[in-house]
Amino acid sequence: AQSVTQPDIHITVSEGASLELRCNYSYGATPYLFWYVQSPGQGLQLLLKYFSGDTLVQGIKGFEAEFKRSQSSFNLRKPSVHWSDAAEYFCAVGTPNYGGSQGNLIFGKGTKLSVKP
Amino acid sequence: DTEVTQTPKHLVMGMTNKKSLKCEQHMGHRAMYWYKQKAKKPPELMFVYSYEKLSINESVPSRFSPECPNSSLLNLHLHALQPEDSALYLCASSQAQAEIGKLFFGSGTQLSVL
Repeated sequence: AQSVTQPDIHITVSEGASLELRCNYSYGATPYLFWYVQSPGQGLQLLLKYFSGDTLVQGIKGFEAEFKRSQSSFNLRKPSVHWSDAAEYFCAVGTPNYGGSQGNLIFGKGTKLSVKP
Repeated sequence: DTEVTQTPKHLVMGMTNKKSLKCEQHMGHRAMYWYKQKAKKPPELMFVYSYEKLSINESVPSRFSPECPNSSLLNLHLHALQPEDSALYLCASSQAQAEIGKLFFGSGTQLSVL
């Protein structure tokens, strides 16, 4: 069965510093991988996704993520964090709706990012 | 218009009340979803509608009753809820059920059951 692990519950970085949020997945085939961001009391916004092809994926708000099959990882990075990046970040693995099977997103437990001035 | 609109934003209800959550999108999406998110937890899928037909019910208790009256609207009817049902309820939509990589989420309804 597919699963997603985000090892870090809470990370604090200084504004302007670089950021890396970790995500490991378990899935039998090539996964669909996603990063979402959620501000308090808000819905989820898609930052970026990986389906196939180039393993370095660019997203919105200056974020990028790299798919590493050998490490079963899809870590999110940003070279310089802004105070407005403080939020909850969710990694997710998606199963496609092939052959009648049900498509779904499996979310990790999330990493809360705090930004120090 | 790339928004999914949910109303109300906040709802407080007693265990004997009947209330409804509403979700609307005008992107022409044919798949709509309800997720439940407890505090400090990831969202969990409750229901999926595809072309206005219920496609997935993730073993949700019958006190939650979804309805998709047309391709733009999705309702979640609530009756006899328990305090543990307090959560953020998120609606989402996508072009089709297979388009799991292109979910658009609403801002959610924060539900408190007293």
